[in-house]
Amino acid sequence: NAGVTQTPKFQVLKTGQSMTLQCAQDMNHEYMSWYRQDPGMGLRLIHYSVGAGITDQGEVPNGYNVSRSTTEDFPLRLLSAAPSQTSVYFCASREGNGNQPQHFGDGTRLSIL
Amino acid sequence: GDSVTQMEGPVTLSEEAFLTINCTYTATGYPSLFWYVQYPGEGLQLLLKATKADDKGSNKGFEATYRKETTSFHLEKGSVQVSDSAVYFCALNKGYQKVTFGTGTKLQVIP
Repeated sequence: NAGVTQTPKFQVLKTGQSMTLQCAQDMNHEYMSWYRQDPGMGLRLIHYSVGAGITDQGEVPNGYNVSRSTTEDFPLRLLSAAPSQTSVYFCASREGNGNQPQHFGDGTRLSIL
Repeated sequence: GDSVTQMEGPVTLSEEAFLTINCTYTATGYPSLFWYVQYPGEGLQLLLKATKADDKGSNKGFEATYRKETTSFHLEKGSVQVSDSAVYFCALNKGYQKVTFGTGTKLQVIP
């Protein structure tokens, strides 16, 4: 059981480039979300989804797009990378039932030069 | 809206000391409460949870009790080890709503 898989683990981009961070889960979880974590900081929610075809914005959605075409996958797209988007990005999933915990991926460490 | 407040860190303790990390919440309805732990360079992982008032979650010597009357879910451990050094996050869930996290508390245990 792989859980939540994020790719890539590390990435360096130049300002203005675009890229997609991949997230896949094999637990048939309805709820998926993306967070960013800056050094010494807590988690900030970027976007989340409560099921295929349904997405919503979190606290810091600007500069990021998401889509949810399948239950398993929830990619995060950076439209035009900026140095302020240098961060560690975590994907998480859980059952829709609020009693269940989130399962986190190992993170993608992204640097924008 | 819902919110979670954790004590500021970092918390520095000697090995075998008693640990308390305070967590209080504000939420309507009946949230479930969680503690997650993040070791250096890793993602978050569930430490323990409680889904209703007066439930006690426990794992690896850590405990927390869901106190509805004081809206609290304080994390405790009787004797910390160096290997417990990590960042601890308190969080709450309600149904399909987005998860609310506290800001995290860094714990450093010194031999």
